[in-house]
Amino acid sequence: GAVVSQHPSRVICKSGTSVKIECRSLDFQATTMFWYRQFPKQSLMLMATSNEGSKATYEQGVEKDKFLINHASLTLSTLTVTSAHPEDSSFYICSARAPGDRRSPLHFGNGTRLTVT
Amino acid sequence: GQQLNQSPQSMFIQEGEDVSMNCTSSSIFNTWLWYKQEPGEGPVLLIALYKAGELTSNGRLTAQFGITRKDSFLNISASIPSDVGIYFCAGRKTQGGSEKLVFGKGTKLTVNP
Repeated sequence: GAVVSQHPSRVICKSGTSVKIECRSLDFQATTMFWYRQFPKQSLMLMATSNEGSKATYEQGVEKDKFLINHASLTLSTLTVTSAHPEDSSFYICSARAPGDRRSPLHFGNGTRLTVT
Repeated sequence: GQQLNQSPQSMFIQEGEDVSMNCTSSSIFNTWLWYKQEPGEGPVLLIALYKAGELTSNGRLTAQFGITRKDSFLNISASIPSDVGIYFCAGRKTQGGSEKLVFGKGTKLTVNP
């Protein structure tokens, strides 16, 4: 089945630094990947849609200059949290859909727990 | 952003009992999905529903896509301790050529042995 790998699983960084999170589709090519954010005991909220070879589409209220998305290949999308602050601490999850079948559901990575101190 | 109304918020049951949870929305969705999430991990797909009225099973899990396309339920029969986790419903729609997946707030399931 479709597998999505996310790295790192946990990261702690100091306020003001930047952190990069990688999302890879391991056994399929994904022209589109999605980035979600999840606060403790909350649901998943879509942050942006990552499109291979073009600019990401951000949801309303998400700062594109703060959450930089790069989808340079059909198997890799990255999310960079720039100048991180404690309020950026959260669980970030990426997802992708196997191509070919528009009906195929999204498969999620295991998430990245970001803690900004 | 838009969210689905998922209930109950949490459930505490004894092993062997059946479980039922549901989601409703004011919007119509093309697809309903049910995911399970365990602590520190991403959601794992349980069941996908594509047609209004569709009833689908996956082992002890059964889910149905409402006729109006605005609701869905998930049943778990004969629960076991490993069923513990948070269950999310998700509705998918296509808007302006882009895909949107909207999640419910989740149902936290606790199973007592």
